Order: sequence, then structure tokens, then C-alpha cells
Amino acid sequence: DIVMTQSPDSLAVSLGERATINCKSSRSVLYRSNNKNYLAWYQQKPGQPPKLLIYWASTRESGVPDRFSGSGSGTDFTLTISSLQAEDVAVYYCQQYYSTSVTFGPGTKVDIK
Amino acid sequence: EVQLVESGGGLVQPGGSLRLSCEASGFTFSSYVMSWVRQAPGKGLEWVAAISDSGTGTYYADSVKGRFTISRDNSKNTLYLQMNSLRAEDTALYYCAKDQGLHCGSGWCTGDYWGQGTLVTVSP
Repeated sequence: DIVMTQSPDSLAVSLGERATINCKSSRSVLYRSNNKNYLAWYQQKPGQPPKLLIYWASTRESGVPDRFSGSGSGTDFTLTISSLQAEDVAVYYCQQYYSTSVTFGPGTKVDIK
Repeated sequence: EVQLVESGGGLVQPGGSLRLSCEASGFTFSSYVMSWVRQAPGKGLEWVAAISDSGTGTYYADSVKGRFTISRDNSKNTLYLQMNSLRAEDTALYYCAKDQGLHCGSGWCTGDYWGQGTLVTVSP
């Protein structure tokens, strides 16, 4: 299986400041035939199911605010929240779908400083 | 409006069985790959199993292979997960998730809609 790791485990950011979460895969999730990275990001708030934010590493899902952005390629990826809002407090997960056995990262908890 | 409603969770003894259901509405169920994803209390997400739109293709995590069976009834817009030989480590909230439809391959890619989950507790 492709193992996903995330850093940091948690971070606290002031309102309006930038939050950056890193995700690393044990193997490349870049499919060369279509030049797409098979990497997604989810947000999960307490007591709620996950919400899809980003797919193909950098494409925002419909309705997701543009303060959320994804970047990276191959094995190293980043989710950036450009200006943290109170409603962004959540756990964020990356997920690869390069392999049929999809795998998630362990999650990064984002709080307000 | 897309809705996914899971049911069938509960308390079961180790070695026991349970069948989860997920009733879908608001989209053409038979056109989408579906998946089960679980979350142990206070832990992260773990993909469990997926099934193709027609039901002919099934995929499992190594942790449940040989014990769990995913199936679907497209005439009833319902997804199932038959869980046998349950272990304490299977204790989790089980989510049903609709594939987004990216056609990433033969399995489930990403989940654009999720249910609220049904809790399975395996304990003596």
C-alpha cells in the first residue's frame, strides 16, 4: 500500500494568518500518461463526516472558498489556507487514489492561536 | 439533494457478524462507484471496501479481506457491508461514501458525498 504521512500533527494559527499542511506519499502518485496527481484533501469538523476540498492535488471542489489551495507533485504536497477563518478549525486529511487501495494520511489538526 | 443514510451498526461480540446498509437518494446510484470508510474513535480515516457501479468489481483493504463483503442492490439504491469474524479493532464509525466520478481507474477515487455514519462496537 502507498503510505501517506502528514506534518505537522497539529498547528495553531492566528485568525487571518496562513496555515500550511504538508503531505508526503511513499511512492509517486503522479500518473504520467495524463500528468495528473492522484491526491485529494478533506476537511473534517467534529461530529461531521469528511468534506472534499481539493482533488487532482490542486483542483478545488465546487463551493470551496478560494482561500484553500493545493499544490505539489509526485510525492510531496501542500494544503494552504491563505487567511484562516474561525470556521476552518478542523482536522485535514490527504488521500491518494493512485492505487485501488486508497489510503489516507493520519490527519493534521488546525486550531486558532 | 444527495443523501446517504447508513444503518445496521450496534454492539456485537468478538467473532460475531453484522450487516450495514446505506440507502442512497438524490443521484443515479447505479452510475457510481461506492465505498465504505471507517473511523475508529478519536482516530483517522481508513478506507475499507469499494464496489463498482454494476457491482461486478469489489475491492478491499487488507485488514478486512476475507472477513467483509461489500455488495449493492441498484434496484433498491442500497449499499451493503457484511462483516463477519469481527474483532475489537473493527470498532469504528462506518461511513458510506459516493465516488466523485473522476474515473481514476477501476476503484473508488474520492468521496464527494458522505453519510453521517453508523457506529459498530465490537466488545465482549
